[in-house]
Parts: sequence; C-alpha cells; structure tokens
Amino acid sequence: QKEVEQDPGPLSVPEGAIVSLNCTYSNSAFQYFMWYRQYSRKGPELLMYTYSSGNKEDGRFTAQVDKSSKYISLFIRDSQPSDSATYLCARDAFFSGGYNKLIFGAGTRLAVHP
Amino acid sequence: DTAVSQTPKYLVTQMGNDKSIKCEQNLGHDTMYWYKQDSKKFLKIMFSYNNKELIINETVPNRFSPKSPDKAHLNLHINSLELGDSAVYFCASSQEGIYEQFFGPGTRLTVL
Repeated sequence: QKEVEQDPGPLSVPEGAIVSLNCTYSNSAFQYFMWYRQYSRKGPELLMYTYSSGNKEDGRFTAQVDKSSKYISLFIRDSQPSDSATYLCARDAFFSGGYNKLIFGAGTRLAVHP
Repeated sequence: DTAVSQTPKYLVTQMGNDKSIKCEQNLGHDTMYWYKQDSKKFLKIMFSYNNKELIINETVPNRFSPKSPDKAHLNLHINSLELGDSAVYFCASSQEGIYEQFFGPGTRLTVL
C-alpha cells in the first residue's frame, strides 16, 4: 500500500467549476500536509500547506485535512484554464537527526477547459 | 533569477553509458534533494544532503552516486544506465527545519 494514495485522473472540468482534489494517507503520526502544483514540463511548486487538522484558505484555493479519516483535500473555486496542471499532495515524514522528507502522492492531472 | 537550476535539461543516451546531472541553488539553503519522477508522474525521493553530508538514501541502486561539493551544489552520477532509469530527475532544496522544498526544472533522461 502506498503511503499517500491519490487518484491520477485525468479530471476535466469547465471553466468556473469548483474542483475537489483528494488524497488519503495511511499513517496518522504526521502533521504537515502539502499541495504542490506541477505544470507540464516544469518542476513542482508549493501551492499550500496545512499543519495538523482543519482548513486553510488562499484566494481561490482551500486546503483541508481531516485526520480522523486520514483525508486531504484541495478545493479550487472558479477554476481557470491556467489551473490546468498536475496536483501532487504530500505529507512530511521525520527522519533521523531531525531532518524531514516528503512523501508524495501520484498526482492528479486537472484540465480546465474554456 | 533562477532559484534551483539543473543541467542538462534533456539527456538521451545508450544503455550501459555513464552520465551526470548537475544541480545548483542560489537560495542559501542547506538541504538539497534528488527526486525521480516516472512516466506516471510518481515523484519519489532518492537522496538528500544537508551541508554536504548525505542524510537520506532511499534504497537506490549503487549505480547512482550523488555528490555535494558544497551546500549550493548537488550532482548525480549514474553508471551503467538501464532502460528503467528513463525518467525525469528533479533537484530540490530547502532550509533546514522548513518543509517547503523548491524544485528545479527537471532533467529528462531517456535511455535507449
């Protein structure tokens, strides 16, 4: 079982739609959850991160963590064609010496069409 | 200003060859990483260095040898390339204790 499960899509929505992207994770000991956005032929860039449970909002984007169900969600309101990308969820994993590494999901490919 | 840069951007080579990829970051970070992204977009960590010291080695074949000459540079040398090594390799960096990692543009390696 992968540590972070994510539906690879593709997900195709019309412009203006509300998009819901989801991940599940298997180990509840972790605190930081992140969403990275990756445009085609580019490196991933951090979109949002949340600590522990709850919601975090940034403009049209809302990240949500439900630790009881081990569910991570990213909502995009009023989706735009420029939101077309692959969205990768990630969680932290502590490493010896106090270092951390990130465990990524497989990524969901989103296409927003005009 | 490029934060994390990688060279080359594309690399096409024959099976059995040896090749290197270079990474440089100008963010002043002290931790750098190599990731491998396969054709299904799955991004998996390979190595991490902190201040030139190897801190993470994720069961990568020993044909892969990273090297960090200083904390701004992290190179990856691959011996005896195999077809399964074809992927996009990303370099990333972060400040110690901070979870955000900044990624380079990737090196697309194709082994024929």
